[in-house]
Amino acid sequence: GDSVTQMEGPVTLSEEAFLTINCTYTATGYPSLFWYVQYPGEGLQLLLKATKADDKGSNKGFEATYRKETTSFHLEKGSVQVSDSAVYFCALSSGGYNKLIFGAGTRLAVHP
Amino acid sequence: DTAVSQTPKYLVTQMGNDKSIKCEQNLGHDTMYWYKQDSKKFLKIMFSYNNKELIINETVPNRFSPKSPDKAHLNLHINSLELGDSAVYFCASSQDSTSGSYEQYFGPGTRLTVT
Repeated sequence: GDSVTQMEGPVTLSEEAFLTINCTYTATGYPSLFWYVQYPGEGLQLLLKATKADDKGSNKGFEATYRKETTSFHLEKGSVQVSDSAVYFCALSSGGYNKLIFGAGTRLAVHP
Repeated sequence: DTAVSQTPKYLVTQMGNDKSIKCEQNLGHDTMYWYKQDSKKFLKIMFSYNNKELIINETVPNRFSPKSPDKAHLNLHINSLELGDSAVYFCASSQDSTSGSYEQYFGPGTRLTVT
């Protein structure tokens, strides 16, 4: 079945460091890909998405490019802030009915 | 205005009890979902309703029964609670279920603790 694999955390960075969180997927067909973020004690919120190959999603300085040839959707940010500390989930929309399949989540901790 | 709300936020109960979690969305969406997040933060879909009709029913014990009285509400009733049911339960909604590109909007979660 469809699945998402993302790098294990936690990822610990200093403020203004470069961030990469790797995400690869296995899917039949052409899924839409998402990054969701969960701040402490809150629900998930969409960070960015891409719906077809070579699309780049971007939001709040974060970017990810839908790479069909490598089945990847890596999340990047050039300069992280303490306020970016959260758990980041890569997900794909699987089959019909808009069902989301999530990766295991990667916790990011940014220190001043 | 809260887009997707859940009650209660916290629920502590004993094994064998029956409990319900309620969810409401004011976004005018047609589709709603229940997800379970375990202690390791892993998220898995449980159910989905589109306009009051059940469309996704993953491998979930039949002690869990969702109900959608109208398209703005989706409740989750759990019978005979077990220790393994302890988790955070998230409700979500999306415009509809016809496109995989639609964003899902999540509620704040209900932390269920079974003792």
